[in-house]
Amino acid sequence: EDQVTQSPEALRLQEGESSSLNCSYTVSGLRGLFWYRQDPGKGPEFLFTLYSAGEEKEKERLKATLTKKESFLHITAPKPEDSATYLCAVQGILTGGGNKLTFGTGTQLKVEL
Amino acid sequence: GAVVSQHPSRVICKSGTSVKIECRSLDFQATTMFWYRQFPKQSLMLMATSNEGSKATYEQGVEKDKFLINHASLTLSTLTVTSAHPEDSSFYICSAKGGMSYGYTFGSGTRLTVV
Repeated sequence: EDQVTQSPEALRLQEGESSSLNCSYTVSGLRGLFWYRQDPGKGPEFLFTLYSAGEEKEKERLKATLTKKESFLHITAPKPEDSATYLCAVQGILTGGGNKLTFGTGTQLKVEL
Repeated sequence: GAVVSQHPSRVICKSGTSVKIECRSLDFQATTMFWYRQFPKQSLMLMATSNEGSKATYEQGVEKDKFLINHASLTLSTLTVTSAHPEDSSFYICSAKGGMSYGYTFGSGTRLTVV
């Protein structure tokens, strides 16, 4: 069974204070690892998909990296508008016909002025 | 591109009644749609996977007679919560496979409160 563990559960940063969120996973053959942002009372918003170890993707202040066991979401010089819950999910080749996403419980990020 | 519209965003119903939630892919065709349930401060739990024109596949522990899923077209899937009870109160989110970057696009969610 695919498993995803995210840490920390909650993170409080000062504006401009860079940090990283961790997503550790076990999967039956990785088809893709996904990062989403979720605001309170909203559905997840797509950020990145990573497919293989060593891959990196960037978008504004966010950078996602992937190894064979974990992924990191690096946040550089965060702003208050980056406050949200960040979700990590994996898609395994053998799980649910290769379509099912397994989610972690998320990291709740709060960026303060 | 890749927009999924979910309605209603919020619904309150009486115990024993049924509620239908709609999920539409607006600018792409979604052969597969997914329904999730999310409790406060918890992750998304997959309830079922629906494929256009065929019966939905339910996850273990999800009552298929209580949570009726219909995927009648390539752009519309519906979830009907039948004979709702207060314990069915939750945040329900749909997702569609397709659109950008081989990704999964999510709807904005439906907050169901059963009183």
